[in-house]
Amino acid sequence: GAVVSQHPSRVICKSGTSVKIECRSLDFQATTMFWYRQFPKKSLMLMATSNEGSKATYEQGVEKDKFLINHASLTLSTLTVTSAHPEDSSFYICSAFKWDLNTEAFFGQGTRLTVV
Amino acid sequence: GQNIDQPTEMTATEGAIVQINCTYQTSGFNGLFWYQQHAGEAPTFLSYNVLDGLEEKGRFSSFLSRSKGYSYLLLKELQMKDSASYLCAVMDSNYQLIWGAGTKLIIKP
Repeated sequence: GAVVSQHPSRVICKSGTSVKIECRSLDFQATTMFWYRQFPKKSLMLMATSNEGSKATYEQGVEKDKFLINHASLTLSTLTVTSAHPEDSSFYICSAFKWDLNTEAFFGQGTRLTVV
Repeated sequence: GQNIDQPTEMTATEGAIVQINCTYQTSGFNGLFWYQQHAGEAPTFLSYNVLDGLEEKGRFSSFLSRSKGYSYLLLKELQMKDSASYLCAVMDSNYQLIWGAGTKLIIKP
């Protein structure tokens, strides 16, 4: 089946540095990818919708300049957490839709970000 | 506003059957998804319903009634590994996924 690969799975960074998370669709083209954030014991919170070749659409309350999204190709979207702070520590998950007879949203493995 | 409701937590016994309900109010409807999520992991796909009725897939079945804005996930022959959170999500008219808060299912021996 279709696979979405997310990298890295875990990252620890110092406060003030930037971290880039990659999300790749391995065997299908994803014109749209979604970036989610999840706090412990909470549901997924949509941060932004990433569209290939255009600007991402951010949800209300999500800082565009802090969470930079780039969707440069049909198989790759990146999320960069800039000037990270401890409150940015969270579980970040990307997903991509594959539209066919068995429509499904495939998820990356998630990235556990810890800012120290 | 858009709203997805599902119970916060349910407990069931190994080998039994459990039904997790989901009601929704969204602007438009392009399908309802059920996902399973174990702690610390990304969600995994269980089912997608866009037409009314029951879809069975092994031990898991999902039901949809669009007129009632209602779905349920039925888990049979429960196993300890089924202990997880079960997320209901509806795709609205803009093809955005609206997520429920999830139901934590606890399986007891």
